[in-house]
Amino acid sequence: GQQLNQSPQSMFIQEGEDVSMNCTSSSIFNTWLWYKQDPGEGPVLLIALYKAGELTSNGRLTAQFGITRKDSFLNISASIPSDVGIYFCAGPGTSGTYKYIFGTGTRLKVLA
Amino acid sequence: EAGVAQSPRYKIIEKRQSVAFWCNPISGHATLYWYQQILGQGPKLLIQFQNNGVVDDSQLPKDRFSAERLKGVDSTLKIQPAKLEDSAVYLCASSLDAYEQYFGPGTRLTVT
Repeated sequence: GQQLNQSPQSMFIQEGEDVSMNCTSSSIFNTWLWYKQDPGEGPVLLIALYKAGELTSNGRLTAQFGITRKDSFLNISASIPSDVGIYFCAGPGTSGTYKYIFGTGTRLKVLA
Repeated sequence: EAGVAQSPRYKIIEKRQSVAFWCNPISGHATLYWYQQILGQGPKLLIQFQNNGVVDDSQLPKDRFSAERLKGVDSTLKIQPAKLEDSAVYLCASSLDAYEQYFGPGTRLTVT
């Protein structure tokens, strides 16, 4: 079946550093969603992308829809301790449907 | 605006017992999803409703799992009988437009 691979799997960074993570698919996607999940909570939607090449920001977060439509990137600038959590990408599993599949997640830990 | 509500938050049962989870989506959201999230993995779609009709249930283990959405609003997910491998967080999400999904806090199920 289709898979979304996220990289890196986990990362430790110092507070104030910038963070980059990516998500790749074996097939073309028309939509990319980025979520953050805190322990014991459901995922929270951060950014939604709908067009190849699109660059969208939400505060310190910036996400890009890759030109090939098989990847997406999330950047966090000037990280703070509350950025700790697991970041998931998600997209529709088959073009033309809305059955979303989720990536494997990137676990972020920020060292104060 | 109230978010997606789920109950209970935690449930511990013995294998072969039955369990039910409840979800109340965001008001006006026609699409409702149930996901299973096993520890260390991303959410996996179990079933998707559009109003009170099933859009996709291809990954729902129908021999033991069932779900319904009466009157196109609340939904229940049932497991009968439960197995050890059903231990997971069960997430409910809703969407206005089948693109951006908003998640509830989840129900953590432990099967012993």
